[in-house]
Amino acid sequence: NAGVTQTPKFRVLKTGQSMTLLCAQDMNHEYMYWYRQDPGMGLRLIHYSVGEGTTAKGEVPDGYNVSRLKKQNFLLGLESAAPSQTSVYFCASSYSGTSRDEQFFGPGTRLTVL
Amino acid sequence: AQSVTQPDIHITVSEGASLELRCNYSYGATPYLFWYVQSPGQGLQLLLKYFSGDTLVQGIKGFEAEFKRSQSSFNLRKPSVHWSDAAEYFCAVGAGGSNYKLTFGKGTLLTVNP
Repeated sequence: NAGVTQTPKFRVLKTGQSMTLLCAQDMNHEYMYWYRQDPGMGLRLIHYSVGEGTTAKGEVPDGYNVSRLKKQNFLLGLESAAPSQTSVYFCASSYSGTSRDEQFFGPGTRLTVL
Repeated sequence: AQSVTQPDIHITVSEGASLELRCNYSYGATPYLFWYVQSPGQGLQLLLKYFSGDTLVQGIKGFEAEFKRSQSSFNLRKPSVHWSDAAEYFCAVGAGGSNYKLTFGKGTLLTVNP
C-alpha cells in the first residue's frame, strides 16, 4: 500500500517549457487535490477533483491545468512555465470531500523554473 | 473568508522540554481545525483535528490541542519534546466542513536542541 505517490521528485525547467506532474493514489479515494507550498506562505490549493472526470479550480489556478482521467491518477500540467511557478507541489487525496475525512499527502515535487 | 495565523515562524526548544505552538483562526461559524506536521523532505501528516465536543483533542505522537472559542485559538502542546519532533507544523481551518476549503497557516518551524 503505497498511499499517495508523486512523479517526479525534482525537476528544473526553463521559462516557457511545459511539463506534467503525476499523482497516483491506491486508496480508492474519490477526492484529489494539488497544492503549492512557498516559503512563508503555507499551502495553497491549485485545483481539486471530486471524482473521475471532474476537476475544479482552487485558490491559485492560473497557469495550471489538471486532468482526472482515471480515479487513481490526478495530473497537474504547466503549459508555459514561469519563474513564479517555482515551488514545491503536493498532491493529496481523501475518501470524501468532508473535513472529517483526512487528507493524505504525497512526498512533494520540487520544481524550479529558470 | 477564513484565515489562520501562526504567530511564531521559528521555535527552538531543548529535548525533554514542553512545547506549545500557537494558532489563531478567523471564521464566522464553528470551525473545523487541524494540525499537520511536515518532516524534512516529506509530505504533511495529520496530527489531530477538532470538529465539536470536547475542546481538548488528543492526537498522534503524544500531541494534544485545545480549542478555545473565546480566544479563537487552537494551540498545539506536547509535555516533553523528542528530537524526532523537529519539523514544520501547520495549523489549518476548514470552512463548512469541506476538504477543499482548507486554509493553512504559514507554518512554525520547530528546532529541538539535544
